[in-house]
Amino acid sequence: SYEVTQPPSVSVSPGQTASITCSGDKLGDKYASWYQQKPGQFPVVVIYQDTKRPSGIPERFSGSNSGNTATLTISGTQVMDEANYYCQVWDSSTVVFGGGTQLTVL
Amino acid sequence: QVQLQESGPRLVKPSETLSLTCTVSGGSIRSYYWSWIRQPPGKGLEWIGYIYYTGSTNYNPSLKSRVTMSVDTSKNQFSLQLTSVTAADTAVYFCTRDLRKNYYDNSGYYDYWGLGTLVTVSS
Repeated sequence: SYEVTQPPSVSVSPGQTASITCSGDKLGDKYASWYQQKPGQFPVVVIYQDTKRPSGIPERFSGSNSGNTATLTISGTQVMDEANYYCQVWDSSTVVFGGGTQLTVL
Repeated sequence: QVQLQESGPRLVKPSETLSLTCTVSGGSIRSYYWSWIRQPPGKGLEWIGYIYYTGSTNYNPSLKSRVTMSVDTSKNQFSLQLTSVTAADTAVYFCTRDLRKNYYDNSGYYDYWGLGTLVTVSS
């Protein structure tokens, strides 16, 4: 079965750029979405179809996907961005989630 | 604004069947795919499967033998049944709207989520 891998944790200082990766075999041939989840809340999509940002999501969130890696980039990271982030892809009509990355802003 | 709400027993005994219903309000269940996703305490997300409003389904291969989903368009609801549960099935269960266009569309994502309900499997 298809698997995608995320780093368990990423740390960033406020105002700096955070990059969270999602790696999988030929991931660039698939569409990746990214979800932000804060404690006790449901996940919220911040990027879909690799690069698209839903309405209401700040412009500092952006995405890319090429080769074997999809990347979520948060520019000018704010303390409110501290959360768990999950990548999600489809493979053979089934959904695969990455294990999640805890973003710490300090 | 579409809203989803999960309902069902919060406590299920081992070997019994977990049953949850998701009620969709603020929009029609028709013309969309609907998914169940779960999250064990302190762990990541796991896709359980989806159902189309017509009743067609697709399940996670790892759970397929124990999962059944159904839909009731007259009530704007869809449901999940998971049989022969064990402690490993203890999780927060979310219902979601899936924006895939058709069976072959691999660009779908989840735009609306229920708040989630914690189901504990314990005797």
